[in-house]
Amino acid sequence: QVQLVESGGGVVQPGRSLRLSCAASGFTFSHYAMYWVRQAPGKGLEWVTVISFDGSNQYYADSSKGRFTVSRDNSNNTFYLEMNSLRAEDTAVYYCARAGREILWFAELSDWGQGTLVTVSS
Amino acid sequence: DIQMTQSPSTLSASVGDRVTITCRASQNITNWLAWYQQKPGKVPKLLIYKTSTLETGVPSRFSGSGSGTEFTLTISSLQPDDFATFYCQQCISPWTFGQGTKVEIK
Repeated sequence: QVQLVESGGGVVQPGRSLRLSCAASGFTFSHYAMYWVRQAPGKGLEWVTVISFDGSNQYYADSSKGRFTVSRDNSNNTFYLEMNSLRAEDTAVYYCARAGREILWFAELSDWGQGTLVTVSS
Repeated sequence: DIQMTQSPSTLSASVGDRVTITCRASQNITNWLAWYQQKPGKVPKLLIYKTSTLETGVPSRFSGSGSGTEFTLTISSLQPDDFATFYCQQCISPWTFGQGTKVEIK
């Protein structure tokens, strides 16, 4: 079965950096676009970024553009979110998620990890 | 960017009620709309994709309809397990979510 496991969350000071990882298993990782979605405490879902199945394309929400970088390693079934210049408003649970169909990234998010909490605080 | 607006924000209903949640897109998204259910402290779960296709394992009391800019999620007979927050999401760039609809026990 599809399994997505995030890691790398924690408490970080404003302005610092953090790198999240998402380890995937149970499917052919290199065939699927992958997403990061976040949820601030008590708030709704916010899409952060997407990376295409082969890593050749990425899109970012305006809130993360220029500060966050998504990447993937298809040989190790893992993808990453490098977050720089973190702000208090980046405090959230960060979920990794998989596209619902191969190759396409215009797709629903069919499988989600359990999430990792990032707290930006001095 | 395409904005997604859900209504209502909160809905109070009883077991057995028919419940409808509306999602409006600021631009035409054809049928690229998904619905998710999230219970407190839990991971979002995909219910419906491409407006009306039920994800495997989702009970048939859930249904979706619409096209273009207006969409609905209907629960034909609300069950105790259905009390949760529901989100719509448009699945074309940039994948925005609605603000959520919390379904509460009346």
